[in-house]
Amino acid sequence: SQQGEEDPQALSIQEGENATMNCSYKTSINNLQWYRQNSGRGLVHLILIRSNEREKHSGRLRVTLDTSKKSSSLLITASRAADTASYFCATDDITGTASKLTFGTGTRLQVTL
Amino acid sequence: DTEVTQTPKHLVMGMTNKKSLKCEQHMGHRAMYWYKQKAKKPPELMFVYSYEKLSINESVPSRFSPECPNSSLLNLHLHALQPEDSALYLCASSQVLAGDYGYTFGSGTRLTVV
Repeated sequence: SQQGEEDPQALSIQEGENATMNCSYKTSINNLQWYRQNSGRGLVHLILIRSNEREKHSGRLRVTLDTSKKSSSLLITASRAADTASYFCATDDITGTASKLTFGTGTRLQVTL
Repeated sequence: DTEVTQTPKHLVMGMTNKKSLKCEQHMGHRAMYWYKQKAKKPPELMFVYSYEKLSINESVPSRFSPECPNSSLLNLHLHALQPEDSALYLCASSQVLAGDYGYTFGSGTRLTVV
């Protein structure tokens, strides 16, 4: 079953604008990760935020995590056409000796020139 | 080497065929995963191997049979599939319990069952 719900489902912005995607999840987590997927191919890991962290930055990416609200957001600043992709949040849960990554529904981002 | 390599990239098979998907990594990761992704949907976990042992099976039908021959290789054996099994199959690897580094995904095998 899916752990996270993301909104918006789709987002269209112009190059240079900021893009914000939100993710909500249902149960306690070890960490939360964000991934990008281009054209239905492999996923690329963008950033990981641990359950005891509230904010993290990596280049043009800023991620926040609110464990009390079970929600996270991904901000992409100064977007580029190359940022056009689907973005997924994923919650990492440890079950015994294995880690289990469960994906949210995803946001399709379109960045136009 | 920071890649997960999946072969083949595309596969078309009949419902009576037997085929295998292959996945290889040389990052020293001891956890490997199979995910299934339908069009416009998120990836769904199928299997988790930890230290070459099957740790999680997400109630996947027996027509999908995983195998982990060694710490670098992961196979998915397919037999008597149905058209609804057509999807993108993604392999991933990570450190056990993932830590701070996330998962590395392959580019996937696009499977069509006819």
